[in-house]
Amino acid sequence: AQSVAQPEDQVNVAEGNPLTVKCTYSVSGNPYLFWYVQYPNRGLQFLLKYITGDNLVKGSYGFEAEFNKSQTSFHLKKPSALVSDSALYFCAVRDTYSGGYQKVTFGTGTKLQVIP
Amino acid sequence: SAVISQKPSRDICQRGTSLTIQCQVDSQVTMMFWYRQQPGQSLTLIATANQGSEATYESGFVIDKFPISRPNLTFSTLTVSNMSPEDSSIYLCSVSGSATYEQYFGPGTRLTVT
Repeated sequence: AQSVAQPEDQVNVAEGNPLTVKCTYSVSGNPYLFWYVQYPNRGLQFLLKYITGDNLVKGSYGFEAEFNKSQTSFHLKKPSALVSDSALYFCAVRDTYSGGYQKVTFGTGTKLQVIP
Repeated sequence: SAVISQKPSRDICQRGTSLTIQCQVDSQVTMMFWYRQQPGQSLTLIATANQGSEATYESGFVIDKFPISRPNLTFSTLTVSNMSPEDSSIYLCSVSGSATYEQYFGPGTRLTVT
């Protein structure tokens, strides 16, 4: 079985400061990992993914995430937060052991509040 | 990436009635997914719809309550049948890029059952 945990319901950060949104996962095989963002009253947008290769992946809007296999983590980061980054962020995982079925498990979400 | 549209964007329905939600994709996709999301909360997968076969439902969701059609590679419908206030939620359509793995989501249908 696969699972993903986002331990923080909300993260507050001052504008211009670095931000981190945490995510840990559990899979049987190797993970495919994703971050999505949901702005108020809008659908989910894909931010970035880790499939294989370099542990540091870069995505949209200046976000990046680091895959850490030993800690089973995939934390989302940005060097300098913007007020417009305020949104709901979801981490998601797909277990490659699941074969051809592409079920993805989403975390509970972390609300990011960037304070001006 | 795929562009996905959903109709209706929102609706208020009486209990006991049914609502059909349409999902249109701008490209052909093999797998389409239907999710339910309470505002500000996580996503719950209802079912996976493959063209030409019966939809696969997740635990807690049944075909009689949530019948799905998938007549071609760009379109799907989800019907919420015999609605109760507990069905009030946001319903999201999603597709997966088979070669790229990430999912793309429609804007959602906000359903309120009174």
